[in-house]
Amino acid sequence: EPEVTQTPSHQVTQMGQEVILRCVPISNHLYFYWYRQILGQKVEFLVSFYNNEISEKSEIFDDQFSVERPDGSNFTLKIRSTKLEDSAMYFCASGVDRVWYEQYFGPGTRLTVT
Amino acid sequence: KQEVTQIPAALSVPEGENLVLNCSFTDSAIYNLQWFRQDPGKGLTSLLLIQSSQREQTSGRLNASLDKSSGRSTLYIAASQPGDSATYLCAGYSNSGYALNFGKGTSLLVTP
Repeated sequence: EPEVTQTPSHQVTQMGQEVILRCVPISNHLYFYWYRQILGQKVEFLVSFYNNEISEKSEIFDDQFSVERPDGSNFTLKIRSTKLEDSAMYFCASGVDRVWYEQYFGPGTRLTVT
Repeated sequence: KQEVTQIPAALSVPEGENLVLNCSFTDSAIYNLQWFRQDPGKGLTSLLLIQSSQREQTSGRLNASLDKSSGRSTLYIAASQPGDSATYLCAGYSNSGYALNFGKGTSLLVTP
């Protein structure tokens, strides 16, 4: 069964460094998402991406964050200058269509900022 | 913004019991609602999606219902097993239809 994959599974970085989290969505999906979950808190929406542009973003998704679909298969989240409070599990998700179909989530990347 | 609340926060039941997890949301104009399972340190596994025009969905021992007028959804688990132990999350779509707004989840422990 097709699934969303994410790399790396765990990333440790120093404060102020740039990180890129990678995702390979399910191949026939058109809508792509990033969410994060700080330890012990609820899953929070960051951004959605459709037709090579951001369709919606939350207030968390500030200028330090960017997303890109550099080729036909990868979907990336870049954090330009990491802060301690960026430590969280980051989930990528994809869907065939918005609203009427399920979002399928990847296993997550645990980001630790020291 | 769609606010989602889940009660109870934690639940412990003996194996074999039937149980109900509750989810409430603030915006009755909800599009769809999705239930997930999350194992410790793992990703989210989609269990059921209920579209706004539906009242319930079933998958195996799971049955989810949606009552838009009261702003509630329930996940019914029949004949619980220790393998059902996990955190169960519900999430409703925002008005824009892109973002899923999650509840904090119900942590379920099924004891043998």
